[in-house]
This record gives sequence, C-alpha cells and structure tokens, in this order.
Amino acid sequence: QSVLTQPPSVSGAPGQTVTISCTGSSSNIGAGFDVHWYQQLPGTAPKLLMFDHSNRPSGVPDRFSGSTSGTSASLAITGLQAEDEADYYCQSYDSGLLVFGGGTHLTVL
Amino acid sequence: EVQLVQSGAEVKKPGATVKISCRASGYTFIDYYIHWVQQAPGKGLEWVGLVDPEDGQTKYAEKFQGKVTISADTSTRTAYLDLRSLTFQDTAVYYCTSYPSHKYGPTWGQGTLVTVSS
Repeated sequence: QSVLTQPPSVSGAPGQTVTISCTGSSSNIGAGFDVHWYQQLPGTAPKLLMFDHSNRPSGVPDRFSGSTSGTSASLAITGLQAEDEADYYCQSYDSGLLVFGGGTHLTVL
Repeated sequence: EVQLVQSGAEVKKPGATVKISCRASGYTFIDYYIHWVQQAPGKGLEWVGLVDPEDGQTKYAEKFQGKVTISADTSTRTAYLDLRSLTFQDTAVYYCTSYPSHKYGPTWGQGTLVTVSS
C-alpha cells in the first residue's frame, strides 16, 4: 500500500486531456514538501516529467503541467498523443524519506 | 552536469549477497542524501533507504531492515547498496537517486537489475 494514492489507470483519446491525481496527507504533500512526477515506459528507468510541483525539465513538452493544492497534487496532459501511453508516478517526501504513489497506467485509446 | 552511474546487472543464487554501486559526479557529494529505490517486476517504486554521505548516517524502510545495508565512500564519491540472504523476492531493479540541483530536479541512476535465480 503506497503512501501516496493514485488511480491505477486512466485513459483518453488522442487530442483529449487527462488528469492524474496524487493524494497524500499532512505529513507529506500537505506539509509543503516538493512533489515530482515521473513517466516510465516499459523496460526503462523512470523519466523526470515534473519537479517541484510544476517545473518541467528541459525537453518535456508544455502539454504536461503539474499543480499542488493542500494534500493533493495533479498532473495534467493535454493534447494526448499515442507516445504518452506509459506509467506515471508521483513522489514526495515524508520525514526525510521518499514516498511514492502506486503508479497510474495511461492508456491512449 | 549531475550524474549518477550505477554498476551493471547481477545474477545471484538464493542466500548470496550482492553489492551494487552508484557513482556520483557534477556536484558536492557530501552535501546531499543518496536514496535507493526498488522496483520489482511489474510493480511500482518503493523507497529502500538513504545515506547521508557527510557522516554515513542511514535510514531504512521498515520492510528492508535487516535485508540491506547502505553506505557511502566519499573518496570515490560512490554510494553502495548491499543486499544479503537473497531470495527470489529480491529480484528487482534498484535505482539510486539524489536531488542536488533545484534548477534541474532530482537525478536518478540508470538502474541495476538484480536477478536471484537458482
């Protein structure tokens, strides 16, 4: 059971917008700790998609955006593309430890 | 450029011990924790533990207490993850990660696959 809660799966058609939620508590996200998001394609290492809630690393399209409010964070993907089909993980901190969501599989219909 | 480079894949028999490494470059090694993360086949990411390279202090997830030892060598800028009394359930990819630059975000190693097979 993961410390952060994500929906196991989401789906959307090409061009649509999907949002992935990440719910924590007052000891992690709610305490103001940074939230990061990772994209993982099969057989590859997690790729940093968003850091410090809403910052995109160089090379990540602006179709991806992140936000945090209270004890929850969310990742929005607009203009869905087939290549976005992957697993997505949120990560934050709790008492100096890393905490993760269980991951969300995005299916592009 | 901040980089974490991990050692190569390992295949071990049940009961054995394995030590994997994570070499850091591009930042002041002793100033930032290094964390280890496990990803078992078909599973999510799970925090294993951390080391403070400055003083060698460690913290472990309860699940991994007694199974792993994390250490750091400041002379070689390398962190290590020791896994002992290996079982089939220890088969996983292990990643190291650190966060020395708030300009670029957390950095991860490429992962090390540990396979436990008889």
